Amino acid sequence: DAKTTQPTSMDCAEGRAANLPCNHSTISGNEYVYWYRQIHSQGPQYIIHGLKNNETNEMASLIITEDRKSSTLILPHATLRDTAVYYCIVRVMNTGFQKLVFGTGTRLLVSP
Amino acid sequence: DAGVTQSPTHLIKTRGQQVTLRCSPKSGHDTVSWYQQALGQGPQFIFQYYEEEERQRGNFPDRFSGHQFPNYSSELNVNALLLGDSALYLCASRISGELNTGELFFGEGSRLTVL
Repeated sequence: DAKTTQPTSMDCAEGRAANLPCNHSTISGNEYVYWYRQIHSQGPQYIIHGLKNNETNEMASLIITEDRKSSTLILPHATLRDTAVYYCIVRVMNTGFQKLVFGTGTRLLVSP
Repeated sequence: DAGVTQSPTHLIKTRGQQVTLRCSPKSGHDTVSWYQQALGQGPQFIFQYYEEEERQRGNFPDRFSGHQFPNYSSELNVNALLLGDSALYLCASRISGELNTGELFFGEGSRLTVL
């Protein structure tokens, strides 16, 4: 699995957009970008994933650069409950038994 | 629809003891993985079970073993506990085959403290 690089921490004001970057310069053509988050003392929660097109769901948007070497997770209107550690992971999908390789993630603090 | 459930939520053991953690996957899921998360770190993959067999294993010693039952539930066993085994143990489940989107569903974890 390709390695990812994320900032250690970020701050965001409540109601503003939170833009979390991730570098994955060694990503392979068949590797997807996944985002999970972990709120304190809970299990990780899936947010979104994508291959090369931008994706949007009810939680967030994922913007992947054309060369696929980096991506940005966007929380359009951050709330206090979005305070969590956000993990960017790259992996191949549908190969049966692929594990997730977590880094240390970005600790996002949303303040009033 | 129940999600992934784990038990116990917290437990305290002493060095040298053995521990068994339990996991029931999300309804309809047949593949279970276990992760260890030390304080301040991201989760680390221990192993994955499918059709009652260990299919993939991370860099963990043989003291860590597991089992999957016909109803897809799973157990994680750790023998000869060390202080360094203190961590949050997470169970994750997914569905195999064509319905698999790669998304894992995690439980709330079992927090193990070894004294």
